[in-house]
This record gives sequence, C-alpha cells and structure tokens, in this order.
Amino acid sequence: DIVLTQSPASLAVSLGQRATISCRASQSVGTSNYGYMHWYQQKPGQPPKLLIKYASNLESGVPARFSGSGSGTDFTLNIHPVEEEDTATYYCQHSWEIPYTFGGGTKLEIK
Amino acid sequence: QVTLKESGPGILQPSQTLSLTCSFSGFSLSTSGMGVSWIRQPSGKGLEWLAHIYWDNDKRYNPSLKSRLTISKDTSSNQVFLKITSVDTADIATYYCARREYFDYWGQGTTLTVSS
Repeated sequence: DIVLTQSPASLAVSLGQRATISCRASQSVGTSNYGYMHWYQQKPGQPPKLLIKYASNLESGVPARFSGSGSGTDFTLNIHPVEEEDTATYYCQHSWEIPYTFGGGTKLEIK
Repeated sequence: QVTLKESGPGILQPSQTLSLTCSFSGFSLSTSGMGVSWIRQPSGKGLEWLAHIYWDNDKRYNPSLKSRLTISKDTSSNQVFLKITSVDTADIATYYCARREYFDYWGQGTTLTVSS
C-alpha cells in the first residue's frame, strides 16, 4: 500500500497568514504531468469536502485562497490568506492504485 | 444536484453481517467512468477506503478487508450496497459513500456500533 505522510499533524496560523500542509507518498502517485493526489477539508460532524483534485485543480465552488501543488511523491496544500472558517482537519488521498489511501490528517487552528 | 445518502442498521452484534445502502441522485452509474466508493472513519480517527464499484460493474476492494467485503449496485434504482461479514468492535465507525475516485460528493454517513 502507498503510505501518505502528512506534516505537520497540527498547526496554528494567524488570521490572514499562510498555512502550508505537506503530504509525502511512499512511492510516486502519478506521471510527470499528472498527480493522482486529492485534498479534503473536514469539519467536526461533517463528511470531508473535496478542495483540490489531481494535485492542483481547484474544485468548483472552493475559494481561490486554497491551492495545491506537487508531483511524484511530494504534494502541498496552501491556504492564503487563512480565514476563521478554515479551522478544520485536512486530508490528502491518492487514487493512483488500489488501495486508495489517505494521509493521517492535519488539524488547522486559526489564531 | 448530486446527493448521496447512506443507510444501515445502526447496531449489530459481533459476528453479524453489516449491510449498507447508498442511495444517490443527480448522476447515473451507467455513465462511462462513473463510480462509487465506500469509506469509513472511526470516531476521532482518520479515513479508510473500503471498496469501489465502477459503471461497468468492475469492483475494487481494500486488500486488508477484501475477504469480508462485497460491493454491488442496482443501477436502475440508483443504489450501491456494501456487505461486511463478521463484524467486531474494530468495525465501529461512520460509513460514507462517495462519488468517483476523487471523492467529489459524499453522503452524511451512517454510524455503526457493535455490541453484544
């Protein structure tokens, strides 16, 4: 199985600043042009919400302050500028091969 | 608009079989490329992908649970089903269904408790 390691496990970012979350895969999850990595936001009591698909494609309706980048084994989710409503846990997930796996999650607090 | 809704028994005894239903609207599982997955999440913990079924009835399972899982669909009634045999306390979780391999739409989830 491909292991996705997210870092940090938690972070606190001041309102209006940048939050950066990393997701490292134990092996490549894509081609040179296409990363099979997706990012989700989950708030307590709710299902996850898709933010970014295929590494860098913003899902419809998601604010442009969310962005994704990366390829191969290293992927990043950036949120800038962070807002109060961004308090949540963020997960990466790959769809490169079976089984699909998720990262362990990053809990974001807004200061 | 796309919606998905999970349903299940809520509580089972150890060794029983869990039967889950995902009822969806706003898309068809007869559309080429379409698929639905089942994912679960124990309370306060991370996400675990369980199984996926494609429009052409191709099925994929998490190898860690494959011997216990059966995914199926009824395209005409817009439903996807998941059975998990021999449940125990490790299966206590919220179970979600979600569309596609990048999960763009999710249901609200159905919770399972296992208790004798």
